[in-house]
Amino acid sequence: DTAVSQTPKYLVTQMGNDKSIKCEQNLGHDTMYWYKQDSKKFLKIMFSYNNKELIINETVPNRFSPKSPDKAHLNLHINSLELGDSAVYFCASSQVMLAGGTSSYNEQFFGPGTRLTVL
Amino acid sequence: DQQVKQNSPSLSVQEGRISILNCDYTNSMFDYFLWYKKYPAEGPTFLISISSIKDKNEDGRFTVFLNKSAKHLSLHIVPSQPGDSAVYFCAASKYGGSQGNLIFGKGTKLSVKP
Repeated sequence: DTAVSQTPKYLVTQMGNDKSIKCEQNLGHDTMYWYKQDSKKFLKIMFSYNNKELIINETVPNRFSPKSPDKAHLNLHINSLELGDSAVYFCASSQVMLAGGTSSYNEQFFGPGTRLTVL
Repeated sequence: DQQVKQNSPSLSVQEGRISILNCDYTNSMFDYFLWYKKYPAEGPTFLISISSIKDKNEDGRFTVFLNKSAKHLSLHIVPSQPGDSAVYFCAASKYGGSQGNLIFGKGTKLSVKP
């Protein structure tokens, strides 16, 4: 019973194409994220959505457009793919709690990753 | 500029012995720290966390120690088992800041030999 799922697991495409990666979580969490793990193995956050609203956008090129149709889904659409976009993309989710006006959150649950290869 | 550093890319330990994985951070605003474990071709899995108001948190064979003055934390696994062989990521964040903005280290690959 997969908590955070991503499709596809592997994606091989040509430069200049447009592609999408889908993510779904069945944990009832209200916050979802996209991370990129590059060739140097760094895991870096790209976007965060809370209840379908964009919270974090970490200086990602605007060729990347996340879309959250509901709080259980956060899809990543990439336009005009470039060689440097080749990486593993991880989706994650967590439950954010508010206490006294300050946000706090539990641990993030990650999907299995999508390996994107741009040729 | 790496705010979270794991200076040992790999560690090899004999089964039954203690594994100690280290992590250093530079941002004194971090007040929540997590360890994740990752097997090949899978996503990271949460292991254990610690708030900056504590200096130790224990969960079974896993203990995380936090030394705020040194901006250093470590994960101890006792006893180590072959199934613990994986890449371990240290992560840090700030309460009240960007929601869920975890900053990850580069990871340490642990190999536990039978």
